[in-house]
Amino acid sequence: QQQVKQSPQSLIVQKGGISIINCAYENTAFDYFPWYQQFPGKGPALLIAIRPDVSEKKEGRFTISFNKSAKQFSLHIMDSQPGDSATYFCAASYPAGKSTFGDGTTLTVKP
Amino acid sequence: GAVVSQHPSWVICKSGTSVKIECRSLDFQATTMFWYRQFPKQSLMLMATSNEGSKATYEQGVEKDKFLINHASLTLSTLTVTSAHPEDSSFYICSAQDRVQETQYFGPGTRLLVL
Repeated sequence: QQQVKQSPQSLIVQKGGISIINCAYENTAFDYFPWYQQFPGKGPALLIAIRPDVSEKKEGRFTISFNKSAKQFSLHIMDSQPGDSATYFCAASYPAGKSTFGDGTTLTVKP
Repeated sequence: GAVVSQHPSWVICKSGTSVKIECRSLDFQATTMFWYRQFPKQSLMLMATSNEGSKATYEQGVEKDKFLINHASLTLSTLTVTSAHPEDSSFYICSAQDRVQETQYFGPGTRLLVL
């Protein structure tokens, strides 16, 4: 059973728009929820992360919203830019550090 | 800060040979490093967890005799693909966990092509 479900699989947004990617998890033992950005041929880069005791975290144009009761969290990219076009992965980590990744969302921001 | 390097960035080898991939945390100490495999347009698949000074823990379905992992120091882990075959061709990515912040930082990946 997939422990982290990510949607949508792909997303097309106009420049300046808001990109929203959602993830849902099963195991309440997860205690760390990072988002990664990956460009083709490169390793993932940590974008922003949140712990379950916080409902929202904002860093620049990127915001994580976290709903502990629903076991859901989402990434919002404000004022999306063509340079944001990449694949985004959500993840859920156990206290020991082992992570489970979502399937990824390919974001295309059209100029 | 928090830079993880991998070497080589890409490698082509003949079937039957062994290939070693190095993963280094350049500016922090990592008691734990992870090795992932990623197929085109797919997510990261965890292969094994590597702890400094101890044996690696492999995920179900990953052959430990084929994918040898050594974590000799707090800044270096190596993955050796033994007797490589074309089906081992993939993008291999390591990550190192900052033991203070418990954050994983990923390397740039190594693309392996076995002919």
